[in-house]
Order: sequence, then C-alpha cells, then structure tokens
Amino acid sequence: GIQVEQSPPDLILQEGANSTLRCNFSDSVNNLQWFHQNPWGQLINLFYIPSGTKQNGRLSATTVATERYSLLYISSSQTTDSGVYFCAVEINDMRFGAGTRLTVKP
Amino acid sequence: DSGVTQTPKHLITATGQRVTLRCSPRSGDLSVYWYQQSLDQGLQFLIQYYNGEERAKGNILERFSAQQFPDLHSELNLSSLELGDSALYFCASGFQGFSSYNEQFFGPGTRLTVL
Repeated sequence: GIQVEQSPPDLILQEGANSTLRCNFSDSVNNLQWFHQNPWGQLINLFYIPSGTKQNGRLSATTVATERYSLLYISSSQTTDSGVYFCAVEINDMRFGAGTRLTVKP
Repeated sequence: DSGVTQTPKHLITATGQRVTLRCSPRSGDLSVYWYQQSLDQGLQFLIQYYNGEERAKGNILERFSAQQFPDLHSELNLSSLELGDSALYFCASGFQGFSSYNEQFFGPGTRLTVL
C-alpha cells in the first residue's frame, strides 16, 4: 500500500521561530490533508490541499503532487502551536503519516 | 468545533466486554469514517459508511463492526475486548466518499481503556 513519511519526527523551536514540516508519499493520491493534534488529543483540520499552495494566517502549505510531497510552513511559532502535525493522504482510504511532534518553548 | 460529535468521551471497561461508540456527522455530510489511534499503530482507518451503506474497509478486526443509521449517525461496536484495543477512536465525516473532493472533519474522539 501507499507509504506516507513525515519529517522530522520531532522538532523543538523557540517561540517566534519558523519551521517547515515535510510529507512524502509513495503514490499518486486523490486528496491530502494536514492536521494538528493538540495536547488534548483533538484533530484539527489545517489544510485540505491535494495540490497547489494555501495560506491561513501564520500557516501555509504546498503540495507538489507530481513529485509526491507536501510541505507545511509555520511562521512566528507560538506555544499554542505545540502538538503533533499529521499529513494524511487518500486513495481508496485515508493513510496517515507517523506525525511530527512540535514543541514550541517560550 | 468541527461539528462532528462523539459519545462517550471516555470509556473504561474490562476484557471480554462489548462497547458501542456513537458518532453524529456534521449537518449535510453523508459519509462517516472510523479511525483508531493507538501508541503502537498510529492513526489507522477502520471503516467508512456513505448514506447508510458500507463503502470502504481498512484494518478493522472481525470483532469490530459498524453501521450507519437512516439519520446518518453511526455506531462502532467493539466486542470481546482485549487490552490491545485500548485506544482513541475517532469518527470523521465528509460530504462525499473516498476518491472525490472530500475534506474530512474529525470528532473529539472516544478514549477507550480496557482493563
């Protein structure tokens, strides 16, 4: 089946720093979503982005479907950005990567 | 708030027991998806229903079953529970099914602990 790899697995930042999270996938996909799982376990939709670039405040994402990767950019990070960021891709079902655990220190 | 509701929030039970998890999708969404998140397996897709019919199956054990009712709410039934079934169970909803333009929205999850 399709493989979804996220990097880095862990990331520690100082508040105010910028970061880039990467998601590689092994096959063509219909859809791709980025989620943030907060410390309370809730999965929050960040982007629905099968291709192209989107921006939402301090967050932006780019998916290059032909090259099978997606990037999530977080600028001016805040402590509330801490948590796990998941990329999920969809063909006939939804496959999640293992996530990137982000810790933002004040 | 995603608009997807799940009950109960927490469930503690014993091995061998049976439990039912409930999910109500966002208004207007026809698809319901169930996922399991465990420490060792990560987030895994279990099963999908679309407008009352099973549409896709993932890594769902035979001890687990689900259904979607005419009002579109869904229930996930877990039976003969084992310690390894302890996990966070998420429900998600979407307007369409897989292979379509279909953003999924997740509920808050049910945390199941099997003792």
